[in-house]
Amino acid sequence: DAGVTQSPTHLIKTRGQQVTLRCSPKSGHDTVSWYQQALGQGPQFIFQYYEEEERQRGNFPDRFSGHQFPNYSSELNVNALLLGDSALYLCASSRGMNTEAFFGQGTRLTVV
Amino acid sequence: AQSVTQPDIHITVSEGASLELRCNYSYGATPYLFWYVQSPGQGLQLLLKYFSGDTLVQGIKGFEAEFKRSQSSFNLRKPSVHWSDAAEYFCAVAPSTDSWGKFQFGAGTQVVVTP
Repeated sequence: DAGVTQSPTHLIKTRGQQVTLRCSPKSGHDTVSWYQQALGQGPQFIFQYYEEEERQRGNFPDRFSGHQFPNYSSELNVNALLLGDSALYLCASSRGMNTEAFFGQGTRLTVV
Repeated sequence: AQSVTQPDIHITVSEGASLELRCNYSYGATPYLFWYVQSPGQGLQLLLKYFSGDTLVQGIKGFEAEFKRSQSSFNLRKPSVHWSDAAEYFCAVAPSTDSWGKFQFGAGTQVVVTP
């Protein structure tokens, strides 16, 4: 079992650019959540996808958007990158919306 | 406002000694409570969770946590720490089943284990 996989592992972007991060959930999981973890802080919830729809959303601007595909994988898109978007982005998957969430190793995004 | 507080940013403990990490929450009702561990370069791993019932919860790697409603606390403990327990520990809450997956995390406690 591959667990939750995220790509890429590291990424450097320039302010104002756009970025796409990818997540493949653990086998058998159909729900994906995204979190932003700034340095020295706990993860903050961005949004959750289930059945290809955004089900819940945290306090993040519309520059943050996502998508879930029929195979349950998911993308996180961030437009007009700011320096403050530099963080570790974590993906978590679960089977349904009310079961244990498994986290990937994250994508480290650096905005310069 | 709803919040999760981990008062200790950094704890140093000797190998073999006991460990206790504190977590306090502020919510209108008892939320669902979790402890996660994050090793360098790794994602988060669930140690244990509390939904209801017995207030002493057993988890993996020899960890346990006690829920105290009167103190709004969910402290994590381990009787004897191993060098491999050096990591960052996060307390998290989910306010309700409707908000499951929308975890709110504390700021974390970094644990250093000395020989």
